[in-house]
Amino acid sequence: DIAMTQSPDSLAVSLGERATINCKSSQSILYNSNKKNYLAWYQQKPGQPPKLLIYWASTRESGVPDRFRGSGSGTDFTLTISSLQAEDVAVYYCQQYYTTSVTFGQGTKLEIK
Amino acid sequence: EVQLLESGGTLVQPGGSLRLSCAASGFMFSKYGMAWVRQAPGKGLEWVSTISITGNGTYYPGSVKGRFTVSRDNSKNTVFLQMNSLRAEDTATYYCARVGACSGGSCFWFGPWGQGTLVTVSS
Repeated sequence: DIAMTQSPDSLAVSLGERATINCKSSQSILYNSNKKNYLAWYQQKPGQPPKLLIYWASTRESGVPDRFRGSGSGTDFTLTISSLQAEDVAVYYCQQYYTTSVTFGQGTKLEIK
Repeated sequence: EVQLLESGGTLVQPGGSLRLSCAASGFMFSKYGMAWVRQAPGKGLEWVSTISITGNGTYYPGSVKGRFTVSRDNSKNTVFLQMNSLRAEDTATYYCARVGACSGGSCFWFGPWGQGTLVTVSS
């Protein structure tokens, strides 16, 4: 299985500041034939189910604010929240779907400083 | 509006069985793969199973393979998860989620998700 490792485990950022969450896969999840990275990002607010934010490493799901940006390729990926809002407090997960046996990162808890 | 409503979670003894259901509405169910993902109390997300559009393709991680079986009834817009030989470590909230659609078939990202149903395995 492809292991997904996120860093940091937790993060405190001031309102209006940038938040950056990293995700590293144990092998490349870039599919050479279509040049797509098989990576998704999710947001889980307290007491709620996860919500899909981004797929193909950088494509925002419909309705997701543009302050959420996904980047990276191969084995190293980043979720950036450009200007943190109070409603962004959540746990964020990355997930690879390069193989049918998908795997998630352990999660990064984002709080307000 | 897409809605996914899980049901069937309860307290069950170790070694027991349980069947979860997920009723879907608001989209063309027969055009999407479906998945189950679980979350143990206070823990992260763990993928449990995926089923293809027709039900002919099913996928499981090693932790549940041979014990869990996913199925679907496209006439009733419902996906099921049959769980046998349950263990304490299967205790979790089980979420149903729609599999992403992309050109050429399914892409195994998940969204949207249901609210989940809690399964507790304990004597």
